[in-house]
Amino acid sequence: KQEVTQIPAALSVPEGENLVLNCSFTDSAIYNLQWFRQDPGKGLTSLLLIQSSQREQTSGRLNASLDKSSGRSTLYIAASQPGDSATYLCAVKGGGSGTYKYIFGTGTRLKVLA
Amino acid sequence: DGGITQSPKYLFRKEGQNVTLSCEQNLNHDAMYWYRQDPGQGLRLIYYSQIVNDFQKGDIAEGYSVSREKKESFPLTVTSAQKNPTAFYLCASSRDNVGGDGYTFGSGTRLTVV
Repeated sequence: KQEVTQIPAALSVPEGENLVLNCSFTDSAIYNLQWFRQDPGKGLTSLLLIQSSQREQTSGRLNASLDKSSGRSTLYIAASQPGDSATYLCAVKGGGSGTYKYIFGTGTRLKVLA
Repeated sequence: DGGITQSPKYLFRKEGQNVTLSCEQNLNHDAMYWYRQDPGQGLRLIYYSQIVNDFQKGDIAEGYSVSREKKESFPLTVTSAQKNPTAFYLCASSRDNVGGDGYTFGSGTRLTVV
């Protein structure tokens, strides 16, 4: 059964710092991995989608990498801003039973201090 | 703009009452999903539908029911059999339920038992 873990659970950094959020998964037979952002009381906003055949995806100050063999993905945020404060979730589709449904991590709650 | 609309944003349920959460999408997506989010836990799948007039149970379907009479709509009913319904409910859709596509989420409904 696929399990997704995100460490750390919470992170507080000063504005301008570059930071890395981690996501690990137990079964490497995935179809893709998606990173989301969630603001308090809101729905999830898709940030980046990485297919199993890809190594990374970039959007603006965000870069997500995928290493299937080691079961890991990282979300790199460059030059962090207070507006980046939110919870970041990763979700993995596939693995093990061949399910096409996403399994979610519990998220990393990020606070960027001005 | 295409997207997913969930209503209401806040919902209060009395003990023993059934309530229905609405989810409508205009993305022409075939697959739709309902998730439940509780503090400190990852999103858990309640029900999903890959096509009109068909749906499957997710990991925590007990106490919930759904219908999929139209491609655009996937309402969720929280029945009186659901003993702990207070949570944040999220609806998502994808173009289909096979490997490559990511999810688009609605803004959520917060259900509280009073």
